[in-house]
Amino acid sequence: DTGVSQNPRHKITKRGQNVTFRCDPISEHNRLYWYRQTLGQGPEFLTYFQNEAQLEKSRLLSDRFSAERPKGSFSTLEIQRTEQGDSAMYLCASSYAQRSPLHFGNGTRLTVT
Amino acid sequence: TQLLEQSPQFLSIQEGENLTVYCNSSSVFSSLQWYRQEPGEGPVLLVTVVTGGEVKKLKRLTFQFGDARKDSSLHITAAQPGDTGLYLCAGAIANFGNEKLTFGTGTRLTIIP
Repeated sequence: DTGVSQNPRHKITKRGQNVTFRCDPISEHNRLYWYRQTLGQGPEFLTYFQNEAQLEKSRLLSDRFSAERPKGSFSTLEIQRTEQGDSAMYLCASSYAQRSPLHFGNGTRLTVT
Repeated sequence: TQLLEQSPQFLSIQEGENLTVYCNSSSVFSSLQWYRQEPGEGPVLLVTVVTGGEVKKLKRLTFQFGDARKDSSLHITAAQPGDTGLYLCAGAIANFGNEKLTFGTGTRLTIIP
């Protein structure tokens, strides 16, 4: 069991730059989720995919954010024109079915300076 | 918007003591999950409770779902240093299963040897 893998683990970028994160889910899981966690808070839902289809997006996901899962396997989350308020831990999770447990990766910690 | 409030926010106790953490909401959830998160890692699922009034035990941890499915508690008996971590509750709403979890604010637990 390789678990959910996220890369990079840490990213420091300057305000205004674009960043992209990658998530590799557990291989047989067809559902993939992105959450954001700021310091001292619980994770907040951003979006989820069933296979390659993006089925739900949170209001937190502004126009600067885009997520893709082109082949129904790995996913990328891109943030354009980063702002200091984007600094957070970005967590990816996957699950086998709608009511199956979520397995989280160890996240990508983004710091925008 | 479903909100989950956890209390206390921080808890520091001596090894061997008992403790209870609470998770409260004004919303009804179809299920409620408890996770533990360690620094630099993603949340790890401990338990899922589904039925109002349900009680589940996991070694020294006892989880209870409120009768009205709006609240939950986590009781730890004879706490050990290995129990240290951030405890998060997360609620699922009926139409979305686990696909759009609402997480609580978390309880940061420290067990002092």
